Amino acid sequence: GNSVTQMEGPVTLSEEAFLTINCTYTATGYPSLFWYVQYPGEGLQLLLKATKADDKGSNKGFEATYRKETTSFHLEKGSVQVSDSAVYFCALLRGYSGGGADGLTFGKGTHLIIQP
Amino acid sequence: ETGVTQTPRHLVMGMTNKKSLKCEQHLGHNAMYWYKQSAKKPLELMFVYNFKEQTENNSVPSRFSPECPNSSHLFLHLHTLQPEDSALYLCASSFEGTSGGVAQYFGPGTRLLVL
Repeated sequence: GNSVTQMEGPVTLSEEAFLTINCTYTATGYPSLFWYVQYPGEGLQLLLKATKADDKGSNKGFEATYRKETTSFHLEKGSVQVSDSAVYFCALLRGYSGGGADGLTFGKGTHLIIQP
Repeated sequence: ETGVTQTPRHLVMGMTNKKSLKCEQHLGHNAMYWYKQSAKKPLELMFVYNFKEQTENNSVPSRFSPECPNSSHLFLHLHTLQPEDSALYLCASSFEGTSGGVAQYFGPGTRLLVL
């Protein structure tokens, strides 16, 4: 079956540090990959996505590249801010099969803490 | 963003109660989902509705009963729950077309506590 593995943390960084959150996946075919962010007391917000190999998703200074050869989709940001403190989830959607809607498979989430 | 709304935001219920969670999407989507988020566990898919038809039930106990009267509304009816059902219940929606890779958009969730 499909699965997503990511570092759980907490990951604690100082403001303006470089961020990497690792995500690897197991899936058959050609899944689409996503990063979601969850702030305290809220639901999940889509951060970025990539739908095929070598695609780079980017948003709000965050980037992730779909690497099929290493089955990875690591999240990076060059300079983090206190407001980036949240839980980050890597997720995959199995490749399109023509069968309509399908559920996401999530990693366990990485708690990120940014200190001033 | 308020494209997907959920009510109530918080719910406390006894094991013998019957309650319902409501989700509404204002995005023109045609698929809706229920997920469960428990402490220390990955988000779990519960149900999928595509064009109002249930297309997936992820081995969810019968004490959880979904209802999708139209493509904008989704309910989760709860009865005789157990304390281990306490969790954050998240609703999501997406627009399914003729290609894959479509993102799902989530509501704020209902925090459920079963006593």
